[in-house]
Amino acid sequence: EPEVTQTPSHQVTQMGQEVILRCVPISNHLYFYWYRQILGQKVEFLVSFYNNEISEKSEIFDDQFSVERPDGSNFTLKIRSTKLEDSAMYFCASSGRWSGDFNEQFFGPGTRLTVL
Amino acid sequence: QKEVEQNSGPLSVPEGAIASLNCTYSDRGSQSFFWYRQYSGKSPELIMSIYSNGDKEDGRFTAQLNKASQYVSLLIRDSQPSDSATYLCAVNPEGGGSQGNLIFGKGTKLSVKP
Repeated sequence: EPEVTQTPSHQVTQMGQEVILRCVPISNHLYFYWYRQILGQKVEFLVSFYNNEISEKSEIFDDQFSVERPDGSNFTLKIRSTKLEDSAMYFCASSGRWSGDFNEQFFGPGTRLTVL
Repeated sequence: QKEVEQNSGPLSVPEGAIASLNCTYSDRGSQSFFWYRQYSGKSPELIMSIYSNGDKEDGRFTAQLNKASQYVSLLIRDSQPSDSATYLCAVNPEGGGSQGNLIFGKGTKLSVKP
């Protein structure tokens, strides 16, 4: 069964460093998302991406964040200068369509980001 | 501010019983509703989606939607210890420029006792 994959599973970084989180969405999906979950809190939407551009972004997704689809399979989230409060689990998700009956989003296993 | 509310639990049921999980949402224009299961330290796993008022059954799971009351529920029949997890309600507030992002509740922790 096709699934979303993410690498690395755990990333430890120093405050102020840049990190890139990688995702391979399900191959025939067209819509890609990043969410984050701070320990003990709810899953929060960061950004959605379609047709090589951002569709929507939340207030969390400020200028420190960027997304890219560098090739036909990978989808990346870059945090330019990490802060302590960026420590969270980051989930990539993908779906076939964004509305109607087909906006079922499937999540990857996540990357645990720890900022020291 | 669009909100999704769930009782945090824990909800404890004996093995074989019916577990009932509830969720309310604030955006009346919402069209798509989802239940995810999340084991501790793992990612959300899609269990059910529902789009129309009424019931939708899939195996031991039944999702119920009442748009007039802005209420979604999930019933788990014949609960098993392996069902012990946090259940997340998620809503897609379509319209108003939303592009499919999900708003999640905090989740209800379910414990099924053998």
